[in-house]
Amino acid sequence: DAKTTQPTSMDCAEGRAANLPCNHSTISGNEYVYWYRQIHSQGPQYIIHGLKNNETNEMASLIITEDRKSSTLILPHATLRDTAVYYCIVRVEAGNTGKLIFGQGTTLQVKP
Amino acid sequence: GAGVSQSPSNKVTEKGKDVELRCDPISGHTALYWYRQSLGQGLEFLIYFQGNSAPDKSGLPSDRFSAERTGGSVSTLTIQRTQQEDSAVYLCASSSQWGLNYEQYFGPGTRLTVT
Repeated sequence: DAKTTQPTSMDCAEGRAANLPCNHSTISGNEYVYWYRQIHSQGPQYIIHGLKNNETNEMASLIITEDRKSSTLILPHATLRDTAVYYCIVRVEAGNTGKLIFGQGTTLQVKP
Repeated sequence: GAGVSQSPSNKVTEKGKDVELRCDPISGHTALYWYRQSLGQGLEFLIYFQGNSAPDKSGLPSDRFSAERTGGSVSTLTIQRTQQEDSAVYLCASSSQWGLNYEQYFGPGTRLTVT
């Protein structure tokens, strides 16, 4: 499975958009990009996933570059409750048990 | 509805003792996963169940670790002869089907401390 690279930490002002980058330069054509987050002392929570096209849901938007070598998770209006570790995961879909391989993630600190 | 629940929430045990950690998945979810999270290693996959069978046990760190699932529902992770390096938060997740296109719902975890 493709490896991902994320910044260790980022800050964001409350109410502003938080843009979290992820590099996956060795991604294969059949590998999806997934994002989970983990708020302190809780289990991870699914945010969004995509293959080629940009995706949006009630939590966030996922922008995937045309060459698929990188992506950006966007939280449009960050709140203090969005402070968490954000994990970008790349994984092949077909024949997969679904187990998640987590990296170190990005610690996002939303500040008032 | 009810989410994934785990018990106990905290467990302190002496080195060498056996422990059992329990996971109650969301009702109807056929896939169940165990992970652990420790300071030095981050979040690691341990084992995956589809129904009552475990087709992927590749993450179990040693033969002191075992898990079972009964009735396609509750799962128990057992650690025998605990060691200090087993100290971690043990997380359980379930999803309605196997595969990555199905969201995994995580429980709050069991914090295990081996003294």
